[in-house]
Amino acid sequence: GQQVMQIPQYQHVQEGEDFTTYCNSSTTLSNIQWYKQRPGGHPVFLIQLVKSGEVKKQKRLTFQFGEAKKNSSLHITATQTTDVGTYFCAGGGSQGNLIFGKGTKLSVKP
Amino acid sequence: KAGVTQTPRYLIKTRGQQVTLSCSPISGHRSVSWYQQTPGQGLQFLFEYFSETQRNKGNFPGRFSGRQFSNSRSEMNVSTLELGDSALYLCASSLGVQAYEQYFGPGTRLTVT
Repeated sequence: GQQVMQIPQYQHVQEGEDFTTYCNSSTTLSNIQWYKQRPGGHPVFLIQLVKSGEVKKQKRLTFQFGEAKKNSSLHITATQTTDVGTYFCAGGGSQGNLIFGKGTKLSVKP
Repeated sequence: KAGVTQTPRYLIKTRGQQVTLSCSPISGHRSVSWYQQTPGQGLQFLFEYFSETQRNKGNFPGRFSGRQFSNSRSEMNVSTLELGDSALYLCASSLGVQAYEQYFGPGTRLTVT
């Protein structure tokens, strides 16, 4: 079945450094969503991208959807300790379903 | 607007027992999806219900089942529990089908001993 691969699995950064997580699918996605899960919490919706090549920004977070709609990235500029958590991408599949990546766990050292 | 609620929040069961988890979606949301989350496997999709019909199903054994009621509330049932079923079970609701923005509940932490 359709799969969405997400890398890296873990990322440890010093506060102030940048962070990027990547998602790749072997098939075209209808959309891509990003979620953040804080430690002990539940996933919270961040954003959805639908158009080929789309780029959206939320303060220090930049989200991209690839031209072929098969890959996406989330970039955080100048990380803060509040950015700690696991970031999941989720791609819209051909059956109207959502396929989650395994997530990237971000830790930030103050 | 109230968020997604799940009951119970914590549950301890023994092997061989069965368990029923409940999820109340956000008012107006017709889709409810269930996920199993474990440290090593991330979020694994169990099934999605939309207007009382199962739309999609993940790769889980038949011991895992669910249903949705006319008020969009959903339940999932796991029969003949195994140790490996210990996990956080998350429910998410959305306005439309699963590909829409998902609103997750706090989850039910199930421990099987």
